[in-house]
Amino acid sequence: KAGVTQTPRYLIKTRGQQVTLSCSPISGHRSVSWYQQTPGQGLQFLFEYFSETQRNKGNFPGRFSGRQFSNSRSEMNVSTLELGDSALYLCASSLQPSAKNIQYFGAGTRLSVL
Amino acid sequence: TQLLEQSPQFLSIQEGENLTVYCNSSSVFSSLQWYRQEPGEGPVLLVTVVTGGEVKKLKRLTFQFGDARKDSSLHITAAQPGDTGLYLCAGARGTGNQFYFGTGTSLTVIP
Repeated sequence: KAGVTQTPRYLIKTRGQQVTLSCSPISGHRSVSWYQQTPGQGLQFLFEYFSETQRNKGNFPGRFSGRQFSNSRSEMNVSTLELGDSALYLCASSLQPSAKNIQYFGAGTRLSVL
Repeated sequence: TQLLEQSPQFLSIQEGENLTVYCNSSSVFSSLQWYRQEPGEGPVLLVTVVTGGEVKKLKRLTFQFGDARKDSSLHITAAQPGDTGLYLCAGARGTGNQFYFGTGTSLTVIP
């Protein structure tokens, strides 16, 4: 079956712009989590969605937001982009929002802010 | 400040050598996972350990969860070039899907 699909794969934006990233989970998976990966900070948890509700949120400013649709697809939005937002944004899906379920990661969206 | 510290940060070894990667924290985790990430890809889960003192083997890879559930190690026997990648540990502090990732260990196995 198809894996986690993230679009676009690469994105270049300028400071002050906003961006929307998309994640399509594995069919049947209802939990979606987002992570930011940078060389300096590694992988950091952004937020987790299940049944269209945000269950957990990491320590990121309000410029980072997300949502989940009824078909479990998820989007994350970053407004007023800053240079430090340049990163690989990863989405992971699992059957349920439980640490006992395997998380499957997409290949990520590489965002560059100029 | 990272909740999970991994060491070493970089490791370059010859094919056939053994190696150990460490994942340490001052916090207790309900479960701990190890992932491998290759360039241009997302992390892929290798193993999950949930019980203090637990040891799991996956072919040439041996994973151990510390007795106090604060640390873990990954041992690779007779490393192969295909083992090259970024190894990440990740801990969960509750039952949900919020994982705290380690700083990562970049392994290069030279043929």
